[in-house]
Amino acid sequence: DAKTTQPNSMESNEEEPVHLPCNHSTISGTDYIHWYRQLPSQGPEYVIHGLTSNVNNRMASLAIAEDRKSSTLILHRATLRDAAVYYCILRAKGGTSYGKLTFGQGTILTVHP
Amino acid sequence: DADVTQTPRNRITKTGKRIMLECSQTKGHDRMYWYRQDPGLGLRLIYYSFDVKDINKGEISDGYSVSRQAQAKFSLSLESAIPNQTALYFCATSAPTEGGGRTEAFFGQGTRLTVV
Repeated sequence: DAKTTQPNSMESNEEEPVHLPCNHSTISGTDYIHWYRQLPSQGPEYVIHGLTSNVNNRMASLAIAEDRKSSTLILHRATLRDAAVYYCILRAKGGTSYGKLTFGQGTILTVHP
Repeated sequence: DADVTQTPRNRITKTGKRIMLECSQTKGHDRMYWYRQDPGLGLRLIYYSFDVKDINKGEISDGYSVSRQAQAKFSLSLESAIPNQTALYFCATSAPTEGGGRTEAFFGQGTRLTVV
């Protein structure tokens, strides 16, 4: 399975933008890039996903490099509630990894008031 | 009510005991998954099921078994619990599409299991 690399931790101030990077240099052409986050004492929750084009939703934006070897999750205005572990995951469209989510260690985001 | 419900939420059991963790979902999804999470680590896949008749091992299935009783129910069993199975366990569901990578997964709140 293709792997992702994320920084162990990042810090931000409240109401400032946050850019969470992810490297996935071995991504295959059919892998979707998913982001999940896990708030303290909760299960992971879906944030956003994309394939090739940049994506926006009410929670965040996803910027995907043209060669798809990296992506960046953008939180436009961080709030204290955004403090969580953020996971960048490649989700296979086919093959033996079809549909499965393979989690790495993620990035611990700390948001300061 | 939660879309994915796990019971119990917390459990302490003794080494050698058989224990079952239950998961039910109201999403109407065919796909269900069991993950475990150890402190400071990401989630690792134990078993997954793409429909009632389809059960597959994940990366860490040894010491575990599962049962898909119905579309909405997926149980994880530890036949003889051991201390290194102490962890946080999550159940998840997702819907199939023509491209499996597009759909989001929904997770339960987790079951904290302690084996003493």
